[in-house]
Amino acid sequence: SQQGEEDPQALSIQEGENATMNCSYKTSINNLQWYRQNSGRGLVHLILIRSNEREKHSGRLRVTLDTSKKSSSLLITASRAADTASYFCATAFKAAGNKLTFGGGTRVLVKP
Amino acid sequence: DAGITQSPRYKITETGRQVTLMCHQTWSHSYMFWYRQDLGHGLRLIYYSAAADITDKGEVPDGYVVSRSKTENFPLTLESATRSQTSVYFCASSDPTLYEQYFGPGTRLTVT
Repeated sequence: SQQGEEDPQALSIQEGENATMNCSYKTSINNLQWYRQNSGRGLVHLILIRSNEREKHSGRLRVTLDTSKKSSSLLITASRAADTASYFCATAFKAAGNKLTFGGGTRVLVKP
Repeated sequence: DAGITQSPRYKITETGRQVTLMCHQTWSHSYMFWYRQDLGHGLRLIYYSAAADITDKGEVPDGYVVSRSKTENFPLTLESATRSQTSVYFCASSDPTLYEQYFGPGTRLTVT
């Protein structure tokens, strides 16, 4: 399977702390995306990083991409209780058009 | 209302019955997708469509049928529901040049 692997599967932190989660994949990508899913809801797109980019920021989110290691990380700084959700990486493989392959997700619990 | 909607939101059906899940988007995105989400498997792609009248199989297409006669609609049919098709189903759409996908709220399907 080309599915990305996420690590850790679950993460529990205090409000104000940073949360870091990682994603690894197996084949060459066009881009990698991160999504958030609140309990019982659909996924919401957070950020996209292209294969020729190494780092990208959006508000309190920082994403890095290391194509040589086939891995990405998502950092959420100064976490809030509202950041409690599951976070998924999704990879768009070359020659796969707009199809995405999702990882299993990281469940993040931010305790107030 | 602008966006992507799914209906019904909840459905209980019996084994062997035909069930159709509806998906409608108002952005005129050419790409549409159907995923199922199960504990332990993340999101898996069932079928996708690059444009009206163009559909293709994803990772887990067996037991499902799709059609796309209009750009805005992408119904998913379970021809003869089985218990293993109990899941949460998400529809998504995307613009071919932007890659990010927009998800509907999901349909929780239970097959008894």
